[in-house]
Amino acid sequence: AQKITQTQPGMFVQEKEAVTLDCTYDTSDPSYGLFWYKQPSSGEMIFLIYQGSYDQQNATEGRYSLNFQKARKSANLVISASQLGDSAMYFCAMREGLGSGGSNYKLTFGKGTLLTVNP
Amino acid sequence: EAGVAQSPRYKIIEKRQSVAFWCNPISGHATLYWYQQILGQGPKLLIQFQNNGVVDDSQLPKDRFSAERLKGVDSTLKIQPAKLEDSAVYLCASSLDPAGGELFFGEGSRLTVL
Repeated sequence: AQKITQTQPGMFVQEKEAVTLDCTYDTSDPSYGLFWYKQPSSGEMIFLIYQGSYDQQNATEGRYSLNFQKARKSANLVISASQLGDSAMYFCAMREGLGSGGSNYKLTFGKGTLLTVNP
Repeated sequence: EAGVAQSPRYKIIEKRQSVAFWCNPISGHATLYWYQQILGQGPKLLIQFQNNGVVDDSQLPKDRFSAERLKGVDSTLKIQPAKLEDSAVYLCASSLDPAGGELFFGEGSRLTVL
C-alpha cells in the first residue's frame, strides 16, 4: 500500500488566489512527521513546512499552511495568494518511527503534484 | 552556510558503463541520504548513512549500486554497470540528526543512460 498518496497529478490556480494540494498518508505508528517540499524546474528540493503527529495546531510558514486532519490521515498544503514563482512540483513526505528510539527515520515521498500558477 | 554540494550535475553514459556521483553535505550534518528520482515520480531512498555507518540500504540494488562515506563527511554513489532504467536524478540530502528536522537537498545529479 502507498504510504503517501497525492491524488492530483496537476493543479492550476490563478495568481493571487489560494490553492490546496491534497495529501493522505498511511501509518500505524503513533509518532510521525509530515513534510511538504517544493521542487522547481531547477531540481532542488526546498523544504516548506513540517507537522508533527502530536502537534495540536496546524503548522504555518508564511503563505504556507498545513491542514492536518489526523483522524482522516490527511495533511493538505494550502498556499495563499499564489505567485508565479510558486509554479513547481510539490511533494508530501512522511517520516515514521520518531518515538521508537531507533536511527532509521527515512523520509517517504508521494508522487507529487505539479502546480501551475497562471497570470 | 554552504548547502549540500553535488557533482556532476549532468552525466550521459551508455549502458554497461560505470558512473560515480559525489556529495558533500552541510557541515556538521551527521546523516546523509541518497535518493533516486525517476522522471514523474517522487524520490526513493537508496541509502542512508549515520556518520560513516549504513543505517538503511534496503532499496539499494546492491548488484550494481554501491555507496560509501568513509570519513563520515562526503559520500560517493557508484553505479556499475549502468542500465537504461537507472536514468534518473540522484539527490543527496543531509540532516543534523536522523530523528528531527528537515532534510536539506542538493541540486541533484541527472543521469541519462543510452
